[in-house]
Amino acid sequence: GAVVSQHPSRVICKSGTSVKIECRSLDFQATTMFWYRQFPKKSLMLMATSNEGSKATYEQGVEKDKFLINHASLTLSTLTVTSAHPEDSSFYICSALAGGLDYNEQFFGPGTRLTVL
Amino acid sequence: GQNIDQPTEMTATEGAIVQINCTYQTSGFNGLFWYQQHAGEAPTFLSYNVLDGLEEKGRFSSFLSRSKGYSYLLLKELQMKDSASYLCAVQDSNYQLIWGAGTKLIIKP
Repeated sequence: GAVVSQHPSRVICKSGTSVKIECRSLDFQATTMFWYRQFPKKSLMLMATSNEGSKATYEQGVEKDKFLINHASLTLSTLTVTSAHPEDSSFYICSALAGGLDYNEQFFGPGTRLTVL
Repeated sequence: GQNIDQPTEMTATEGAIVQINCTYQTSGFNGLFWYQQHAGEAPTFLSYNVLDGLEEKGRFSSFLSRSKGYSYLLLKELQMKDSASYLCAVQDSNYQLIWGAGTKLIIKP
């Protein structure tokens, strides 16, 4: 199947700093990528839909100025958590939509564990 | 509104069979997915159903009834490594996934 990578896999930062997370589709082009966050023992929560070459679409309640998303190419989307605070500590997962199959499947990256001190 | 319901937790014995149910109410339907997620890891794809009926893939099978808004994931010959959360998700017309809260499956020896 298609492979999606995320970098970094784990990051610990001080409160007030910004953290950038990269999501790459390694062997296919993805015009659409999704960013999720997941709290312990909770299901995935969609944060935003990222379309290549256009502005991301944010879900209700997600601050677009805090979670900056850039989808500059068909294989790369980035999520920047600006001025991170302890409540932003979470597991962030991206997925890339692969078309041209019998169905449109989302392939997930391995996730990034963010801990804000 | 949109809603996906599945049991919070289930327990089964190694070697046995377990069925995890999922009911859904969504404004659009473009297929139903089952994912497996181990703690601290991203979900991994298990199955996809868009037409009514049973899809079998090794020890795992998934069933869909669109008229009833119902699906189940059937796991046979359970192994300890099957202990994980199982997530039911419906893909809407925009290809976004609407997620259930997941069912934590505990396998006992």
